[in-house]
Amino acid sequence: QVQLVQSGAEVKKPGASVKVSCKASGYTFTSYGISWVRQAPGQGLEWMGWISTYNGNTNYAQKFQGRVTMTTDAFTSTAYMELRRLRSDDTAVYYCARGAPFRFDPWGQGTLVTVPS
Amino acid sequence: QSALTQPPSASGSPGQSVTISCTGTSSDVGGYNYVSWYQQHPGKAPKLMIYEVSKRPSGVPDRFSGSKSGNTASLAVSGLQAEDEADYYCSSYAGSNTYVFGTGTKVTVL
Repeated sequence: QVQLVQSGAEVKKPGASVKVSCKASGYTFTSYGISWVRQAPGQGLEWMGWISTYNGNTNYAQKFQGRVTMTTDAFTSTAYMELRRLRSDDTAVYYCARGAPFRFDPWGQGTLVTVPS
Repeated sequence: QSALTQPPSASGSPGQSVTISCTGTSSDVGGYNYVSWYQQHPGKAPKLMIYEVSKRPSGVPDRFSGSKSGNTASLAVSGLQAEDEADYYCSSYAGSNTYVFGTGTKVTVL
């Protein structure tokens, strides 16, 4: 079955970087893009950006421009999201989701990134 | 890009119906037929319930339906069941490979 499995929880200091991975299985990885979405504690969903797994093209939400980098590795069917210059308000669960297209399905299980203030 | 507007909460008794609205602009909801809806139970990842305004993925009960009029999309849940109690989020394509989510609605089954 189609599945996205993300890396484990992280605790980072302010100013550091975090890199979250998302390993896909059950489908042809390069046929669908991957979006990243985050959810701060008790808050709603926030779209961060999208990457084409076919050619690596990216599109980031304006809010994260200059601070986020999304990459993929077709050999291991894995997508990555790196967020730099972390702040306490970056504390959130980060999800990857297959872009199928114009919708997000399925989602990874989420990765909690904690940035203590 | 501003979040789409949803009511914070909605409720209904078992067997009743509830409808959730999702209001955007002509640059997102009103401009494309790419509105999707997600159900999220506490501590779980979101699950796709409706895509392209009114299409249901396989496995989603036909109690869930979607529609759109102008800049407002809606999700209707009929025959409410206890397991429908969850947070629901709409999302819309906003052009140039960008997306926006709604503010979320907590549905309570009384």
